[in-house]
Amino acid sequence: DIQLTQSPSFLSASVGDRVTITCRASQGISNFLAWFQQKPGKAPKLLIYAASTLQTGVPSRFSGSGSGTEFTLTISSLQPEDFATYYCQLLYSYPLTFGQGTRLEIK
Amino acid sequence: EVQLVESGGGLVQPGGSLRLSCAASGFTFSDHYMEWVRQAPGKGLEWVGRSRNKANSYSTEYAASVKGRFTISRDESKNSLYLQMNSLKTEDTAVYYCARDLDTNWFDPWGQGTLVTVSS
Repeated sequence: DIQLTQSPSFLSASVGDRVTITCRASQGISNFLAWFQQKPGKAPKLLIYAASTLQTGVPSRFSGSGSGTEFTLTISSLQPEDFATYYCQLLYSYPLTFGQGTRLEIK
Repeated sequence: EVQLVESGGGLVQPGGSLRLSCAASGFTFSDHYMEWVRQAPGKGLEWVGRSRNKANSYSTEYAASVKGRFTISRDESKNSLYLQMNSLKTEDTAVYYCARDLDTNWFDPWGQGTLVTVSS
């Protein structure tokens, strides 16, 4: 199975900050990677697919990049509604593994 | 509007069975891959399994942790996805979500989830 390592596990930042979350795959997965946002008590929401394609309706301050084994999710200027947990997911092969999550909190 | 509504969760004893349902609307159900994902209390997301679309004979894939115990099926006439869970273990306790695939990947949207508690 391909492993995904997401970092950091926890991130404290302020409104207006630029933040980056990283996801590393144990072997190459081309661009078969997605990013999700989850708020407490809610279902996950797709932000980015195919590593860098912004899902319809997602603000442009979110961006994704990478290919192969290293991927990043960047939020260019944090807004209050962005404080949540973020997950990456590989869709290259089974099992369709999620990263461990990054909890983004207000500093 | 695409909508997914899960139901069927509840409290079940270890070794017991439960069937979850996911009612889909707002899209052509037979055209899309569908997924089950779970989240144990306070933990991360775990993919459970997949049902491919009609063009792929609704074939299925499962996570190793549930293979042989869980079965995914569909009823096209009811636009519904099911997760039959047998031989339940305490570690199966989680919120179970269904999700539609945008293409043959990319889970979007998700339902609101249904809680399954396995406990004596």
